[in-house]
Formats: sequence, structure tokens, C-alpha cells
Amino acid sequence: AQTVTQSQPEMSVQEAETVTLSCTYDTSENNYYLFWYKQPPSRQMILVIRQEAYKQQNATENRFSVNFQKAAKSFSLKISDSQLGDTAMYFCAFMKSSGGSNYKLTFGKGTLLTVNP
Amino acid sequence: NAGVMQNPRHLVRRRGQEARLRCSPMKGHSHVYWYRQLPEEGLKFMVYLQKENIIDESGMPKERFSAEFPKEGPSILRIQQVVRGDSAAYFCASSPQGHTGELFFGEGSRLTVL
Repeated sequence: AQTVTQSQPEMSVQEAETVTLSCTYDTSENNYYLFWYKQPPSRQMILVIRQEAYKQQNATENRFSVNFQKAAKSFSLKISDSQLGDTAMYFCAFMKSSGGSNYKLTFGKGTLLTVNP
Repeated sequence: NAGVMQNPRHLVRRRGQEARLRCSPMKGHSHVYWYRQLPEEGLKFMVYLQKENIIDESGMPKERFSAEFPKEGPSILRIQQVVRGDSAAYFCASSPQGHTGELFFGEGSRLTVL
């Protein structure tokens, strides 16, 4: 079974600054996806960024980038130029990409990020 | 192109009543997933359905919970004889055939049991 750990229950950052959210995971799989989802107060789950484990290059989406360290089983999210609208709960998630159950997302408990003006 | 539609957004039930939550997947998506989010927790997988088939219900409680995805109409998550511990947000997600890892989530249905 896979586990996802987010060790920072809450974080805060000043507007326009950079913040990094941590995520570690445990798996015996070699092929998988990793995700960061954002859940604002509206509670909708919004996909922020996705990484495929076989790709060595770190994924980036505008102000969002990841630091994927496969050997260390670490998948951190960096948010640059933080904006007030980034205030949300952020969830790290894992999914196998092949074999049985390659549709189940395993989520961490989340990190509540507050961006302060 | 409408996203995943869930209703109701909020549902209040008294202990012992039934709750029915509905989910219409994105157009062209044939796979539906239900997740539950308890307070202060991440989402937990409950069940995976395709049209008229339950593929994996390993995350569903053995009693009182059932799910279906009929040939016509939305997917339904049904909770009979609700208890206070069922209070949670229930999220539906969908994906197309042969997805490449991305699930599209609805806005969730928040169930409160009094």
C-alpha cells in the first residue's frame, strides 16, 4: 500500500514571496504519477500540477513547480510570487500508472497555506 | 463543456434517514469515482464505477453504503440509516476511457447528519 505524508499542517507566506510545501511518499512501485491538488474555501479540488515518475524533468505550470526526488521519494511544491488567491489547502497525491488499482488516488492530509497581504 | 456536476451541494439529514448524492461525469467520461473527505483529512477512495458495473468498491463501508452508475442518468451514492460519523464531504470524479492519470473532480456534496 502507498502512503503520502505532508509534514506541514499549516504554512503562511507574504504576498509576492516564494513558499515550498513538502510531501514524501512511500511505495514499492516504479511507475506512478504524483499530483498536487488545491482546495480553496469553495472546497473544489483543483489540479495544480502533475508529475510522471519516469520523467526526470521537474514539472512546471506558470508560478508552480515541483522538486521531484525519486530516490528520496520526495515531491515538494514551490509557489513563486504568491498571490492572495493561492490561499487554500494543498494536497499531495499518488497514483499507480500501471497494474491493478491504477486509478486510486492516495492523498496526504494536506497543508493549509495562507498568503498574507 | 460542463465539468463534473454534483448535487446537492449541501444535504442535512437526521440520524436514521437516507442520503442520496448524485454525480454527472464530464461529457465523454465513462469512469466515475467517489471519494470521502472527513474533517481535517485528505480524500479517501470509496468506489470506482463504469456504466452499469462496479469495478472496485474496496473503500466502501460494508454496510449502509451503496453506489450505482446506470446506463442512463447520473451515478448515485446512497447512504442508508445515516449516523453522525457519515458527516463529511463526498466528492465525485470522472475520467475518460484509458485515462493518463488525471481525474476531474466535482465541487463535492457536504452531508451533515444531525
